[in-house]
Amino acid sequence: DGGITQSPKYLFRKEGQNVTLSCEQNLNHDAMYWYRQDPGQGLRLIYYSQIVNDFQKGDIAEGYSVSREKKESFPLTVTSAQKNPTAFYLCASSAGLAGGYNEQFFGPGTRLTVL
Amino acid sequence: QKEVEQNSGPLSVPEGAIASLNCTYSDRGSQSFFWYRQYSGKSPELIMSIYSNGDKEDGRFTAQLNKASQYVSLLIRDSQPSDSATYLCAVNEGAQKLVFGQGTRLTINP
Repeated sequence: DGGITQSPKYLFRKEGQNVTLSCEQNLNHDAMYWYRQDPGQGLRLIYYSQIVNDFQKGDIAEGYSVSREKKESFPLTVTSAQKNPTAFYLCASSAGLAGGYNEQFFGPGTRLTVL
Repeated sequence: QKEVEQNSGPLSVPEGAIASLNCTYSDRGSQSFFWYRQYSGKSPELIMSIYSNGDKEDGRFTAQLNKASQYVSLLIRDSQPSDSATYLCAVNEGAQKLVFGQGTRLTINP
């Protein structure tokens, strides 16, 4: 069963803590993306990766870090430097440049709350 | 910064009627256009892709693209209460990224 999984579904963090959100896909997609969504807002791009061991900053990368050591996995770390991390975090993947038109498919999301 | 604009709504449509959702974009070089449906508390789901001027139909959904006027629209025929959701328009930025609009909240009234 192909798809994108994210864990955990809900995450609570104390101020000053780093937390890591997991994203795994078995679609054999080259490209993976992390977005943040705030209530009533669209999606804002945090980081993206087109190939293993390479990634680029999106529009709101400050306070976040990522790694892409395997094609299937693209974890996101929310660091203590992120001033307002409470949000809905969405991971997406696409066939990438090889796929041509960049249709992106989303995982179920992780809802992060800072206590 | 490329922009994608949508009316945030809410758009209220009676059951069985046609819902019309609109989106404008700023980058004349954009080639790929997508509509996503997002139910409350859930992640976006891709429902339509369109790449050429004109209409593309898929079941009750029709996407319309006019590159000269830089707008893309989504029509939902025979609207059902299950169509009540937020609809996100997305447009490519270069070969690697999508830019999303803020979404239009659609409510179908029985």
